[in-house]
Amino acid sequence: AQSVTQLDSQVPVFEEAPVELRCNYSSSVSVYLFWYVQYPNQGLQLLLKYLSGSTLVKGINGFEAEFNKSQTSFHLRKPSVHISDTAEYFCAVRSLDSSYKLIFGSGTRLLVRP
Amino acid sequence: DVKVTQSSRYLVKRTGEKVFLECVQDMDHENMFWYRQDPGLGLRLIYFSYDVKMKEKGDIPEGYSVSREKKERFSLILESASTNQTSMYLCASSFSPGQALQETQYFGPGTRLLVL
Repeated sequence: AQSVTQLDSQVPVFEEAPVELRCNYSSSVSVYLFWYVQYPNQGLQLLLKYLSGSTLVKGINGFEAEFNKSQTSFHLRKPSVHISDTAEYFCAVRSLDSSYKLIFGSGTRLLVRP
Repeated sequence: DVKVTQSSRYLVKRTGEKVFLECVQDMDHENMFWYRQDPGLGLRLIYFSYDVKMKEKGDIPEGYSVSREKKERFSLILESASTNQTSMYLCASSFSPGQALQETQYFGPGTRLLVL
């Protein structure tokens, strides 16, 4: 069975500082990996995804993530955050032997302070 | 733009009531999903449907049923609402694997349900 661990439930950071949101997964087979963002009072929106190819994936709003197979990680980074990045971020995994199911982590709340 | 709409943003129901949550997507997606979101637990899959009249149980189907009579519409039914079903409910849709834009689920804005 797959699982996803987001180690930090909340990450406070000052505006224009860099940020890394951590995600580790567990799976016995190959996986696809995703980061979704949820702004207040909204549904989830895809930030980026890793399906194959380059392990460094660039997404919307200046975010990027790196797939590290040996460490089973898919950490999300942004070099300089804005107030508007305040949101909840979810890491998710789909194993290639499952049908359509995404397994989500518990989420990390990014709080950007002025 | 893909649009997934949910019938209500907020609902208040009483214990024992039958509750219907409706979801409609406009992108001709084959797959539709119902999740519940609770603090500290992330999103958990209740049911999903990969075609009209087809459904599969997710991780937490107990106390819920679903209906998909038309491709664009997926309904979640709480047969007899209980207080532990107070939660945020999110609907999502996607294409089947192998099609263009695969592997992206598009989410509705959510329905916050309070069961008293």
